[in-house]
Amino acid sequence: EAQVTQNPRYLITVTGKKLTVTCSQNMNHEYMSWYRQDPGLGLRQIYYSMNVEVTDKGDVPEGYKVSRKEKRNFPLILESPSPNQTSLYFCASSLLFSSYEQYFGPGTRLTVT
Amino acid sequence: AQKITQTQPGMFVQEKEAVTLDCTYDTSDQSYGLFWYKQPSSGEMIFLIYQGSYDEQNATEGRYSLNFQKARKSANLVISASQLGDSAMYFCAMREDGATNKLIFGTGTLLAVQP
Repeated sequence: EAQVTQNPRYLITVTGKKLTVTCSQNMNHEYMSWYRQDPGLGLRQIYYSMNVEVTDKGDVPEGYKVSRKEKRNFPLILESPSPNQTSLYFCASSLLFSSYEQYFGPGTRLTVT
Repeated sequence: AQKITQTQPGMFVQEKEAVTLDCTYDTSDQSYGLFWYKQPSSGEMIFLIYQGSYDEQNATEGRYSLNFQKARKSANLVISASQLGDSAMYFCAMREDGATNKLIFGTGTLLAVQP
């Protein structure tokens, strides 16, 4: 089944404890990105990647890192999480950066206390 | 800067009736794409419908249609024959036709379908 998977789906952590949210797609998509969703703000792009080893900042990159060592994986790293990073996170992928259809993962609900 | 505006925070509709969810956008680009996504209470983002800026016909997908009025910069979603399962948050989004493929989302409309 073609899909985007994220792990974990739910995470409660404490301020400053490094964490990684994994994202994997099995569709051989070149383009992947991360969004965060906050009430009243919709979804905002954090980082994106047009292909392996090519990543760039979105609208709200502060406090996040990403890597794209393999085509299928695009982990989101929070080196020192803070409470303002409590949010619902979505990974998305598309065949090409110009493809209109983006496939979203199921979301990761992160709470930082 | 590109922007999506959804002015209806919440709406009610009776089952089997049609409902229109409003979306206006702002862009100076000639080439762009408009999307609607559904987010049920379980949280996943479900793609519903897409309209390209050069498409002359309004997009339709089953019970969903997109009322695209380019001059007014509006892209309203029409759901016909509402079902209880349509109760969800609905997001309008615009894609920049450039290098980032970024989707710019509105703040969403929470639709409640009443029996």
